[in-house]
Amino acid sequence: GQSLEQPSEVTAVEGAIVQINCTYQTSGFYGLSWYQQHDGGAPTFLSYNGLDGLEETGRFSSFLSRSDSYGYLLLQELQMKDSASYFCAVVHFNKFYFGSGTKLNVKP
Amino acid sequence: EAGVAQSPRYKIIEKRQSVAFWCNPISGHATLYWYQQILGQGPKLLIQFQNNGVVDDSQLPKDRFSAERLKGVDSTLKIQPAKLEDSAVYLCASSFSGGAGTDTQYFGPGTRLTVL
Repeated sequence: GQSLEQPSEVTAVEGAIVQINCTYQTSGFYGLSWYQQHDGGAPTFLSYNGLDGLEETGRFSSFLSRSDSYGYLLLQELQMKDSASYFCAVVHFNKFYFGSGTKLNVKP
Repeated sequence: EAGVAQSPRYKIIEKRQSVAFWCNPISGHATLYWYQQILGQGPKLLIQFQNNGVVDDSQLPKDRFSAERLKGVDSTLKIQPAKLEDSAVYLCASSFSGGAGTDTQYFGPGTRLTVL
């Protein structure tokens, strides 16, 4: 089976840096994806890590350590519009298993 | 390019009634996914199609849920009869090939179902 753990909620101030962790236990693993979902909106793709290390896309970075079954999403220069839920998803072959999500609250 | 289309956006029914949701994926996308997202949880995959064939339906409650993608394009998800615990947002997503994780899923706006 698949099991993913993320913190349920994180609060940070505008302009700060925040890290959202994701640990997983899976019977098979291909990579780790991250999705953002605003309240009432659809999930949108942020990043994918197929190999160990850091992937950077603008203000967002994502990290994966296969040996530790661990990854994180790093958001820099936080903006109010970053307030949303963030989901990590294990990719196993062509299937996706989502975590329960981390609600990020950005305060002025 | 047009995104994933879903209808209806909202639906309220009473328990034991039937309901159907429709999804039209992005043109040219071979893989189509139906997810159930209960409030406060992550999306849970119900069924995955590759063209018009089922790739995975292991988490679909087959006694009450059914889905089809007859021509390998749009898809319909049906619940019959509905239960209170089916209240959720039903998300449709599509991807170009459904291959490795680098194949991005694009989600539709979802259908919010309330079962009374």
